[in-house]
Amino acid sequence: GNSVTQMEGPVTLSEEAFLTINCTYTATGYPSLFWYVQYPGEGLQLLLKATKADDKGSNKGFEATYRKETTSFHLEKGSVQVSDSAVYFCALRRSGGGADGLTFGKGTHLIIQP
Amino acid sequence: GAVVSQHPSWVICKSGTSVKIECRSLDFQATTMFWYRQFPKQSLMLMATSNEGSKATYEQGVEKDKFLINHASLTLSTLTVTSAHPEDSSFYICSARRGAGVGPGSYEQYFGPGTRLTVT
Repeated sequence: GNSVTQMEGPVTLSEEAFLTINCTYTATGYPSLFWYVQYPGEGLQLLLKATKADDKGSNKGFEATYRKETTSFHLEKGSVQVSDSAVYFCALRRSGGGADGLTFGKGTHLIIQP
Repeated sequence: GAVVSQHPSWVICKSGTSVKIECRSLDFQATTMFWYRQFPKQSLMLMATSNEGSKATYEQGVEKDKFLINHASLTLSTLTVTSAHPEDSSFYICSARRGAGVGPGSYEQYFGPGTRLTVT
């Protein structure tokens, strides 16, 4: 079956540091890949997505590239801010399934210190 | 925007009682809604998929008679936890998907803020 593995947290960084949160997946076919962010007290929000190999999703300074050869979708940001503190979830939706539910990783709690 | 609300945000009930959780899409029509369950420090686990006007599709291992789902309109889905027990205590999250072909964001899932259920 489908699965998503992401690095466990918490990840603590200083402001303006470089961020990488690793995410790898197991799936048949060509899934769509997502990063969601959950700020304290709020619901999950889509951060970025990629729907095919070599696609790069980007938003708010965050980027992730769909790497089929390594089955990875690592999240990166060049310079983090305190406001980026949140829980980040990597997720996939199986190919051809617009109506399918998502398979999530366990989430990575990111803490940015001033 | 695409806002999804859940009600209540938290609920405490006694063992053996039933609890209903509502999920509403406030500014769009959702042909499909999903229900997830999240344990502490665990990922969200898909419980079921509901399509407006039809029976929900449950994931393997999820008891359909325990977790009743009704998607009676394009803006409302409900999850009823019947005869709740302490092991049903969890964080329940819904998401709603726009209808196909409706502008940017079609097929994207928009998540509610979640409902914390505690069964005593």
